[in-house]
Formats: sequence, structure tokens, C-alpha cells
Amino acid sequence: AQTVTQSQPEMSVQEAETVTLSCTYDTSESDYYLFWYKQPPSRQMILVIRQEAYKQQNATENRFSVNFQKAAKSFSLKISDSQLGDAAMYFCAYVEYGNKLVFGAGTILRVKS
Amino acid sequence: GAGVSQSPSNKVTEKGKDVELRCDPISGHTALYWYRQSLGQGLEFLIYFQGNSAPDKSGLPSDRFSAERTGGSVSTLTIQRTQQEDSAVYLCASSSGTSGYYNEQFFGPGTRLTVL
Repeated sequence: AQTVTQSQPEMSVQEAETVTLSCTYDTSESDYYLFWYKQPPSRQMILVIRQEAYKQQNATENRFSVNFQKAAKSFSLKISDSQLGDAAMYFCAYVEYGNKLVFGAGTILRVKS
Repeated sequence: GAGVSQSPSNKVTEKGKDVELRCDPISGHTALYWYRQSLGQGLEFLIYFQGNSAPDKSGLPSDRFSAERTGGSVSTLTIQRTQQEDSAVYLCASSSGTSGYYNEQFFGPGTRLTVL
């Protein structure tokens, strides 16, 4: 079974600085997608960024970027110029053909002003 | 509506009672998913619908849990004889399901279930 591991239960970052959240996964598949979701206190899961495994280029969405290392099965999220609104729980997730998402345990991100 | 909606937002019940949780997916979305978010187990998949059929119900934790979908739209997750370990946030997501591979899942706000 596929597994997703987030080894950082909690992270803190100063406003305007950069933080990196870690994620590793385990799969025998060669073609799949990886995601980072944000869950604020409202509970609404919001897709932050996604990466297709067959693409070597790292995905970027404004202040959010990933470092995708396929051989190492690593998928970290970098948040640049952190803002107070970035404070939330962040989940790394994996999906293969068949649609169900497999989530990591989550990382709570706190942003200090 | 514009997004996935779930009702009720919060539900408190007594151990042994049955509960029904409702999900209204985005209009036109053929795929619908239920996930459970609990303190001990994290976020876990429960069941997936394509139309009214459930090709993957592998995540349902026991036979006390069941789900149905009617008219290719609304879905109901039923938990019979609730136990305290059923306390969790139940999240629903839908996707267009128009291609065979990946379709973005859009999540609802969840139902927080508390079993006393």
C-alpha cells in the first residue's frame, strides 16, 4: 500500500520569511500525482499545488513551489514570503490511477508576526 | 451551489444511535469521495462513487458504515450504532471524473461528528 510521511508535526516561520515542509512517500508505481493541500481552521481543504510524476520540472504557484525528487520519493513544499494567512494545517497527498487520495499526517504551520 | 456542501456542519449523538451525513457535490461532478479525519488515524479514504456505483469501498472501517448515492448527485453516509471511536470530521469531495486519470477533487467543509 502507498504511504505518505510528513515528519514535521509542527513548523513555525516569521512573517515574510521562507519555510519548507517535508514529505516522503512510498510507491511502486512510476506514474502518479502528488499534492499539497492547506486546511485552515474552517476545515475547508484547499489545493495548494500539484506535481505530475512524469514531469521533471518542479511545480510553482506564486509563492508556493515544490522540490520533487522522484528517485528519493521526496516532495517538499517551499513557501516564500510567508503571510499570516498561510497559517494552517498542510497535508501532502498522493493519488494514482483510481482516484483515492492517500494523505500524510499533516504539518501545522504557524506564522509569527 | 458553487461548491461542495455538507450537512449538518456539526452533529452530536449518543453512543449506539444511528447518524446520517449528507454531501451535495458540485453540479455535474460524477465522482464523489468520502474521507474521515480523526485524531488517531489522520485523514483516511472511506468510499468512492462513480455515478451511483461504488467501485471502491475499501476504506469503510466496519459494516456499521454504509453509503449511497442517488441520481448521480447527493450522497449519504450512514453510521449505525455509533461508537466513540467514530468521532471525527467526515469530509466529502467531488470531481468531474471526465478523464481516466486524474481529476481535481474539490472538498466540502466537512461534518464534525461527536459521539458521547
